[in-house]
Amino acid sequence: GDSVTQMEGPVTLSEEAFLTINCTYTATGYPSLFWYVQYPGEGLQLLLKATKADDKGSNKGFEATYRKETTSFHLEKGSVQVSDSAVYFCALTHAARQLTFGSGTQLTVLP
Amino acid sequence: EAGVAQSPRYKIIEKRQSVAFWCNPISGHATLYWYQQILGQGPKLLIQFQNNGVVDDSQLPKDRFSAERLKGVDSTLKIQPAKLEDSAVYLCASSLEGYNQPQHFGDGTRLSIL
Repeated sequence: GDSVTQMEGPVTLSEEAFLTINCTYTATGYPSLFWYVQYPGEGLQLLLKATKADDKGSNKGFEATYRKETTSFHLEKGSVQVSDSAVYFCALTHAARQLTFGSGTQLTVLP
Repeated sequence: EAGVAQSPRYKIIEKRQSVAFWCNPISGHATLYWYQQILGQGPKLLIQFQNNGVVDDSQLPKDRFSAERLKGVDSTLKIQPAKLEDSAVYLCASSLEGYNQPQHFGDGTRLSIL
């Protein structure tokens, strides 16, 4: 079945540092890929998505590129802020079906 | 637009008791999902509805969990009887019908079993 593997956390960075959170997946066919963010005590919010190979999703300074050849969808941001502290989830879906999530990566940004 | 509404936010019960959660999706969203998120893990699907029909309930523990969406709008998830391992956050999500539609999540119900 489908699966998503994320780099283990927690990740602690200083403000304005560069962020990379690795995500790789196993799936048949051509899934759509997503990054969701979860702030403390809240539900998940869609951060960005990509629906086909070589697509780049971007939002709020975050970017991720759908790499079919390496089955990866790594999340990057050039300069993190304290307000980016949250748990980040990589996920995939086929058609109009359930999301399969990774285990999440806790990010803490220190001032 | 109003987001996905869930209630209650928190619930504490003893094992073997029953509990119910309620979800009201975003207006016009035909697809509704219930996920279980155990601490430190990603959410896992329990059941998916399309309007008032079940699309996927293969991971729902049907001996104790049930869910309904009678009028194709709001939904209720029930656990009876609860076990210690049911302690988790229960998330409801909804989406428009169709391919690649993003899922919008509620804030969840945090369930603690004593």
